[in-house]
Amino acid sequence: RKEVEQDPGPFNVPEGATVAFNCTYSNSASQSFFWYRQDCRKEPKLLMSVYSSGNEDGRFTAQLNRASQYISLLIRDSKLSDSATYLCVVFSGNTPLVFGKGTRLSVIA
Amino acid sequence: EAGVAQSPRYKIIEKRQSVAFWCNPISGHATLYWYQQILGQGPKLLIQFQNNGVVDDSQLPKDRFSAERLKGVDSTLKIQPAKLEDSAVYLCASSLVSGWDSEAFFGQGTRLTVV
Repeated sequence: RKEVEQDPGPFNVPEGATVAFNCTYSNSASQSFFWYRQDCRKEPKLLMSVYSSGNEDGRFTAQLNRASQYISLLIRDSKLSDSATYLCVVFSGNTPLVFGKGTRLSVIA
Repeated sequence: EAGVAQSPRYKIIEKRQSVAFWCNPISGHATLYWYQQILGQGPKLLIQFQNNGVVDDSQLPKDRFSAERLKGVDSTLKIQPAKLEDSAVYLCASSLVSGWDSEAFFGQGTRLTVV
């Protein structure tokens, strides 16, 4: 089983739609979780950290389920500018940041 | 605040040639990472430095790849000799510390094409 697994997509959604991405991780000792965003031919940038209690930043909501070892990202009211690849990232303390392969989102007008 | 600087932005070489990439992290960042990102995949860690010491290089193909971070600031990554499968974007990232809540900032990367 890979350390961090994501559905590669692509997810093609209309503007205004709600879309959710899931990510599973294999190391039960993982401590920290993040979502990074990567635009085409650009570098990854931190979108948000994922906390045990769940957290929200505007239209974006991140959830963590430690028992099932998965993380989710919900995007409400999708904008064209949300089109990008969303990378799930896990930190396990004794290993560096481990990235998933990413989920590609295309928001269509 | 200046970001992570990388050079060159693009490089095309023939297989079996050598190539070197340079990275200047954000000032004061103790942790520096080199990642390899093949098209359609997520970044894969090659090596992590804490100041000028290596923390993790378990996925670095040491028969052809080498990296150093002299004086705990700038870093270079070298490939010698290059293979076709080394074609990828090489991303350098830095963070203030290596820890559970430390954001990694990435440079724009070096796009390597081996022909």
